[in-house]
Amino acid sequence: LAKTTQPISMDSYEGQEVNITCSHNNIATNDYITWYQQFPSQGPRFIIQGYKTKVTNEVASLFIPADRKSSTLSLPRVSLSDTAVYYCLVGDSSASKIIFGSGTRLSIRP
Amino acid sequence: GAGVSQSPSNKVTEKGKDVELRCDPISGHTALYWYRQSLGQGLEFLIYFQGNSAPDKSGLPSDRFSAERTGGSVSTLTIQRTQQEDSAVYLCASRQLAGRTGELFFGEGSRLTVL
Repeated sequence: LAKTTQPISMDSYEGQEVNITCSHNNIATNDYITWYQQFPSQGPRFIIQGYKTKVTNEVASLFIPADRKSSTLSLPRVSLSDTAVYYCLVGDSSASKIIFGSGTRLSIRP
Repeated sequence: GAGVSQSPSNKVTEKGKDVELRCDPISGHTALYWYRQSLGQGLEFLIYFQGNSAPDKSGLPSDRFSAERTGGSVSTLTIQRTQQEDSAVYLCASRQLAGRTGELFFGEGSRLTVL
């Protein structure tokens, strides 16, 4: 499984766009990039997944450059409720052991 | 069921006692995972079940920890002779490998406190 590196923490303000970048230099051809969000006292939940270029859903956008060695999760116009830990995972969708890193702790201020 | 169900949601026990934590995955999900999350930390992989294959136990921290999955559905994580360092939230997740995303669905967790 490809190892991922992401910032430990980030701060932003309500209404701003937040971009969290994840590095995954050893990503394999069959690997997808998946982001999860975890609120306090809850289990993580799936946000978005992509393989290349750009993916957008109602929650976020995911930008993946051509070399796929990194990816950026973009949260538009964040609110206080976006305060959470965000995890970047890289792997084949059929991968067995799924390892979560430490994630990025995002704090949104009024 | 509608989602992954875990019980108990909270468990307080005394050091040295055994505890059992239960996970009921989403119906039809063949893959089941257990994770441990200590306060303020990330998720630590414990064990993985897939269908009838032998489980991947490589994340279990000691031989006091064991898990089983009966009938390819409900799973039980057992911690024997609990220690204070076992205090954490134990999270269970399931997924359907045939799905496009392979998305993991998590339960709310079982918070274990060892006094």
